Amino acid sequence: EIVLTQSPGTLSLSPGERATLSCRASQSVTSNYLAWYQQKPGQAPRLLIYGASRGATGIPDRFSGSGSGTDFTLTISRLEPEDFAVYYCQQYGNSPNTFGQGTRLEIK
Amino acid sequence: QVQLQESGPGLVKPSETLSLTCTVSGGSINNYYWSWIRQPPGRGLEWIGQIFYTGSTNYNPSLKSRVAISVDTSKNQFSLNLNSMTAADTAVYYCARGNGWLYYWGQGILVTVSS
Repeated sequence: EIVLTQSPGTLSLSPGERATLSCRASQSVTSNYLAWYQQKPGQAPRLLIYGASRGATGIPDRFSGSGSGTDFTLTISRLEPEDFAVYYCQQYGNSPNTFGQGTRLEIK
Repeated sequence: QVQLQESGPGLVKPSETLSLTCTVSGGSINNYYWSWIRQPPGRGLEWIGQIFYTGSTNYNPSLKSRVAISVDTSKNQFSLNLNSMTAADTAVYYCARGNGWLYYWGQGILVTVSS
């Protein structure tokens, strides 16, 4: 199975700053089938990005995804207070679908 | 607006079988894939498996020997059975729509394995 490694484990930033989250795959992700989710305490994950760079419906355009092959990035251009949460990447190009271990984005 | 709701026991004894149901409202279960995902307390997400509305399934190899997912299109529901439960299976269990990226999720149900 494809192992996804997210870095950093925790990212401490202030509102208004730019956040860059990384997701590295143990092998190439088929067709760049890579998604990003945001999860807040007590809530289900919320889809942000699919297909590595396509924004899900209703997601603010400050969230963007990029990358291909084994290296992917989620960028939040200007952090809002509600963006502080845990972020997961997921690959769905190879079975079984797998998730990264998560990056916690906390307020500095 | 599509909504999903998990239901089932919150407490299961070791060695018993977990049975959960996901009820879909606001849309048809037909023509879509449906998935189960779980999350142990304080940890990351694990994909359990998926089912197409026709009944075709695909499971995570790590759980394949213990899991069964079924669908009831007449009730707009799909279900998860996981046998031989242990403490390691304690988790929030989510149902979701899709077989790849997952846009619609249930709120999740915490299942604790304890005697």
